[in-house]
Amino acid sequence: DVKVTQSSRYLVKRTGEKVFLECVQDMDHENMFWYRQDPGLGLRLIYFSYDVKMKEKGDIPEGYSVSREKKERFSLILESASTNQTSMYLCASRTVSGRGYEQFFGPGTRLTVL
Amino acid sequence: DQQVKQNSPSLSVQEGRISILNCDYTNSMFDYFLWYKKYPAEGPTFLISISSIKDKNEDGRFTVFLNKSAKHLSLHIVPSQPGDSAVYFCAALSGNTPLVFGKGTRLSVIA
Repeated sequence: DVKVTQSSRYLVKRTGEKVFLECVQDMDHENMFWYRQDPGLGLRLIYFSYDVKMKEKGDIPEGYSVSREKKERFSLILESASTNQTSMYLCASRTVSGRGYEQFFGPGTRLTVL
Repeated sequence: DQQVKQNSPSLSVQEGRISILNCDYTNSMFDYFLWYKKYPAEGPTFLISISSIKDKNEDGRFTVFLNKSAKHLSLHIVPSQPGDSAVYFCAALSGNTPLVFGKGTRLSVIA
């Protein structure tokens, strides 16, 4: 079974703190993604990466950065956390096989910024 | 501009009956579609997908129908069970691009 793990399920930080959210997948997938989910807004793409050291901005990259130094690990960084970054953060990894595209999500990190 | 739309924010269905969740899209380049189910405080779980070369895909109680001319797809769940109560997201992509998600439909299955 594909496993996507995220470093924390729940996190509470203060405004202005630097926050690291880690994501690790164990299936050697090239593609990895970071989303945030907010009520009524669905899943919005923050950043994605199709290879090591490669990153692309998604729809809402402002206030975030990412790092992908190893294939299995994709980190999301909030340089200076703000209250409007309180959200559920979801990491995903994806591959394409004979069955088509398969994208798997981690359990999510519920971040609260006070 | 929303490229993937789920126009019903919520749906209630009696246990044992059919649940039909709808999704419309505007981008004619989309060639692959997926449905995810999400419980509160958990990550989305993949349910079923369909390629644009097909018009139907079935997996157990779940069937997805694709109408390319209408740019419409639907997820049928038969029979509906209380454990199916969750938020369902429709998603689409064109080639190896990021998934574009709808805003979700909350399904409540009433016993």
